[in-house]
Amino acid sequence: AQKVTQAQTEISVVEKEDVTLDCVYETRDTTYYLFWYKQPPSGELVFLIRRNSFDEQNEISGRYSWNFQKSTSSFNFTITASQVVDSAVYFCALSEARDTDKLIFGTGTRLQVFP
Amino acid sequence: SAVISQKPSRDICQRGTSLTIQCQVDSQVTMMFWYRQQPGQSLTLIATANQGSEATYESGFVIDKFPISRPNLTFSTLTVSNMSPEDSSIYLCSVQGLGETQYFGPGTRLLVL
Repeated sequence: AQKVTQAQTEISVVEKEDVTLDCVYETRDTTYYLFWYKQPPSGELVFLIRRNSFDEQNEISGRYSWNFQKSTSSFNFTITASQVVDSAVYFCALSEARDTDKLIFGTGTRLQVFP
Repeated sequence: SAVISQKPSRDICQRGTSLTIQCQVDSQVTMMFWYRQQPGQSLTLIATANQGSEATYESGFVIDKFPISRPNLTFSTLTVSNMSPEDSSIYLCSVQGLGETQYFGPGTRLLVL
């Protein structure tokens, strides 16, 4: 069965520190999609990135980078030089090609960045 | 990505009453979804809103409690019926865009007293 595990419930860092949010997934499908979403205190869910299972290239977008490793079923998210505005709950999610309507979320990691 | 709006953004309701949440998209979309996020929890899919047919509900959610309408390809409503304090949650609608990506509305924060 499909599952997403975010073992880190809460992380606290001081501004300018680098921080990595872990995501481990389980699926029996060979074709699947992985996502990261950000939920700031206001509550909306902001899409950050989508990765399909055939694309293991790491991605960098400004201070954000993602490391996808099929060998360890992980899709980790790193924020470089964190800022107070990065404080939010971050969700990793999975959908399988046979049922892309169904988005399976992890339990989320709450990141607090202190000035 | 589509622009999604929800009304109301928040509400405080008395137990036993019902609340209807609206979700509006600025473009036509095939798939619309409704999620619940209980306090401090992750998101759980309530149902898929199908245009022209009944919604498809996930296990644990029933039409009598969460009736859904989808009159056209840009609009859907979710009603939370006969509310109890356990229904206090954030309710989010989403649409499926390009690349099987779901984009979410701003959410409706519901507190039931």
